[in-house]
Amino acid sequence: RKEVEQDPGPFNVPEGATVAFNCTYSNSASQSFFWYRQDCRKEPKLLMSVYSSGNEDGRFTAQLNRASQYISLLIRDSKLSDSATYLCVVNMNTGFQKLVFGTGTRLLVSP
Amino acid sequence: DTEVTQTPKHLVMGMTNKKSLKCEQHMGHRAMYWYKQKAKKPPELMFVYSYEKLSINESVPSRFSPECPNSSLLNLHLHALQPEDSALYLCASRSLAGINEQYFGPGTRLTVT
Repeated sequence: RKEVEQDPGPFNVPEGATVAFNCTYSNSASQSFFWYRQDCRKEPKLLMSVYSSGNEDGRFTAQLNRASQYISLLIRDSKLSDSATYLCVVNMNTGFQKLVFGTGTRLLVSP
Repeated sequence: DTEVTQTPKHLVMGMTNKKSLKCEQHMGHRAMYWYKQKAKKPPELMFVYSYEKLSINESVPSRFSPECPNSSLLNLHLHALQPEDSALYLCASRSLAGINEQYFGPGTRLTVT
C-alpha cells in the first residue's frame, strides 16, 4: 500500500461545479496534513493546511478523518483558474522532517 | 514573507560539466529540502537539512552533492550528470515548530545534454 494515495483524475468539471478530492494515508501516527496546488511547469504552492476540526478558506474546505485515515478537499463554485494538479501531503512523523506526497489529482475546469 | 528563491531558473549542462544550484530563504526556517520532479510526477525527496546538518539522504547518487553553508542557504553541486537527471529541481524550507508548512522555491529547470 502506498503511504499517500490519491485518484490521479483528471476530474473534468464545468465552471460553477462543486468537486471533491480524497486522499488516504497509511500511517495512523501522521500528524500534519496539507493540500498543495501545482500549475503546469511551476512549483507547488501551499493551498491550505488541514486541521483536525476541518477548516475553510473561501471556496475551499478541507476535512480530516483520522478514524478512516483520509483527508478531503472540497472546491465550491469552480473557476477556470482552479484548473491545476492538487497534491495531498502528509507529515508521517518519522523524525518530523519528511513530508510524503501523493501523486496528485488533476482538475480541469471548463467553460 | 514566504519567499524561497532559487538560481538559476534554467540550466543546460553537458555530462562532463560541474555546476551548482542555489537556494535562499529568510523566513528563519531550520529545515531545508531538495526535491527532484519529473513531468506529471510528484516531487521526489532527495535531501533534507535540519539545523544545517544533513538529516536525510534518500539514496541519491553521489553525482549530486548538497551543501548547507548557513541557515539561509542551500546548494546542490552537480557533477557528471546523466541525461535522465534532466528535471525540475525544487528547493523548499520549513519551520521545525508549529504547523510546519513547507514553502517551495520556483525551481531550476535542468537539462543535461
